[in-house]
Amino acid sequence: EAQVTQNPRYLITVTGKKLTVTCSQNMNHEYMSWYRQDPGLGLRQIYYSMNVEVTDKGDVPEGYKVSRKEKRNFPLILESPSPNQTSLYFCASSLSVAGETQYFGPGTRLLVL
Amino acid sequence: QKEVEQDPGPLSVPEGAIVSLNCTYSNSAFQYFMWYRQYSRKGPELLMYTYSSGNKEDGRFTAQVDKSSKYISLFIRDSQPSDSATYLCAMSSYSGGGADGLTFGKGTHLIIQP
Repeated sequence: EAQVTQNPRYLITVTGKKLTVTCSQNMNHEYMSWYRQDPGLGLRQIYYSMNVEVTDKGDVPEGYKVSRKEKRNFPLILESPSPNQTSLYFCASSLSVAGETQYFGPGTRLLVL
Repeated sequence: QKEVEQDPGPLSVPEGAIVSLNCTYSNSAFQYFMWYRQYSRKGPELLMYTYSSGNKEDGRFTAQVDKSSKYISLFIRDSQPSDSATYLCAMSSYSGGGADGLTFGKGTHLIIQP
């Protein structure tokens, strides 16, 4: 089954404690991205990757890092989480960089205390 | 600019009605137009995408793009309670030299009353 998986699905942490949210896709997609979704603000892109070792900033990259060492994986790293990073995070992948066939993961709900 | 405008609703209609959902945008470079459906506590699910202007139909769903007016629509015929969800429009431009990423509307919350 074609899918995008994320782990963990729920996470409560404290300010400053580094964390990683993993993302994996089994569709051999080149393009992957991370979004955060907040009430009243909608979906906003954090980072995207056009291929292995190629990443770039989206609209709200501050406080986040990503890496793309393998085609299937695209982890999101919060080096020093802060309460304003409390959000619902989605990983997505698509065959094309235009994103017209983008598939989303189930989401990771993060609470930073 | 990348702004996409979408009425947040909620939009409440009786079962069986035709639903019209809309987005407007300002960036004339957008070429790909998508509609996503998102159920509560789930990830967005791609419903349809259209390249450039025109109509596209898939079952009860029809997507329309009017690039001259910078206006896109999603029509749902014979609406069902299971259609109750948040509908997100999204669009992108791809120049071939890099990716601008998808720009999303904030979503319209749709309620189909049985």
